[in-house]
Amino acid sequence: GEDVEQSLFLSVREGDSSVINCTYTDSSSTYLYWYKQEPGAGLQLLTYIFSNMDMKQDQRLTVLLNKKDKHLSLRIADTQTGDSAIYFCAEGSAGGSYIPTFGRGTSLIVHP
Amino acid sequence: EPEVTQTPSHQVTQMGQEVILRCVPISNHLYFYWYRQILGQKVEFLVSFYNNEISEKSEIFDDQFSVERPDGSNFTLKIRSTKLEDSAMYFCASSDEQAGGGYTFGSGTRLTVV
Repeated sequence: GEDVEQSLFLSVREGDSSVINCTYTDSSSTYLYWYKQEPGAGLQLLTYIFSNMDMKQDQRLTVLLNKKDKHLSLRIADTQTGDSAIYFCAEGSAGGSYIPTFGRGTSLIVHP
Repeated sequence: EPEVTQTPSHQVTQMGQEVILRCVPISNHLYFYWYRQILGQKVEFLVSFYNNEISEKSEIFDDQFSVERPDGSNFTLKIRSTKLEDSAMYFCASSDEQAGGGYTFGSGTRLTVV
């Protein structure tokens, strides 16, 4: 079945860029998502990208997709302490009725 | 901004008891979902619901689980006889389309089975 893998932790200094990486196994993935979870809150969709795109930029967020390597990354420019959260990568494909399959989440810790 | 509301935020129950987790999806959404996250593990899909019936379910969603949309606003997940391993955070989600960025998640119900 589909699988999505992420590293569990990332620590960065405030003002630096953060890059959170994700790999997935389903080559038929159509939608690739990034969700953010703050303490005590639900999963908030940050951005998503179609599989026919290589890059998507939205303010401080840049998503890069390498479809050949099945690698997705989320870059957060000028990381702030308010960006500290858990970031989930997810993929959706037609075979799975586009229902997002999530990774384990990466805890981003931003320190001054 | 419209929200998906889940109640209660935390529920403690004894093993073997039935629990009902409640969700109020966004009013014009048509697709409804339950996910769970056991502490430290992945967010796992349980079930999707569309047009008043289950459209997809995972292997986790066995006979102990059921979902219902009893009226026009609520969407519930029932666990008939809880086990210790059912302890998890349960997330409800809804969307206005089958694919894309329309999914909205609730804040979750933390279920603790003792």
